[in-house]
Amino acid sequence: SYELTQPPSVSVSPGQTASITCSGDKLGDKYACWYQQKPGQSPVLVIYQNNKRPSGIPERFSGSNSGNTATLTISGTQAMDGADYYCQAWDITTASVAFGGGTKLTVL
Amino acid sequence: EVQLVESGGGLVQPGGSLRLSCAASKITFRTYGMNWVRQAPGKGLEWVSYISSTSNPIYYADSVKGRFTISRDNAKNSLYLQMNSLRVEDTAVYYCARDLGIAAAVTLDYWGQGTLVTVSS
Repeated sequence: SYELTQPPSVSVSPGQTASITCSGDKLGDKYACWYQQKPGQSPVLVIYQNNKRPSGIPERFSGSNSGNTATLTISGTQAMDGADYYCQAWDITTASVAFGGGTKLTVL
Repeated sequence: EVQLVESGGGLVQPGGSLRLSCAASKITFRTYGMNWVRQAPGKGLEWVSYISSTSNPIYYADSVKGRFTISRDNAKNSLYLQMNSLRVEDTAVYYCARDLGIAAAVTLDYWGQGTLVTVSS
């Protein structure tokens, strides 16, 4: 199966920029997306097709994907952005959906 | 707004069976692929299965292949997951999620609230 690797945790100060990486073999050849999940809630799509934002997602969320790494960037991070973030990609070779292990973003 | 409501979770013994349902409203259900994703307590997200709008193709994670069966009834706007030979490690919250429909990708743009499946003796 296809594997995606994320750092377990990232910390950022309010107002600063947070970057969360997601690594996978030739990930740049696939579409990456990102989900935000807060405790007790269902995941929410925040970035799809590498760098597109769904309606209602603030502009401070952005994404990129090249080589073996996709990155979620949150500019001007706010306290409300503290959550778990998961990257995800579709691997056509194995016909399977892969999720990263998740990154806990702490805003302090 | 799109609504996905899962049901059918509960406590089941190892080796037992359970059927989950997901009722969709306010979407053109029959035109979208659908997925099941699970999350074990305190753990990350794990994709379980995908079914296209026409029920062909269907894909499964290796961890459930041969034990779980995904299906849908477009006339009833409903998605199902038949789970057989359940194991303790299948314990999780099970979410149904809609695929946005981007070519060469599976993108989960709407999620239900989840239903808890507990496998224990």
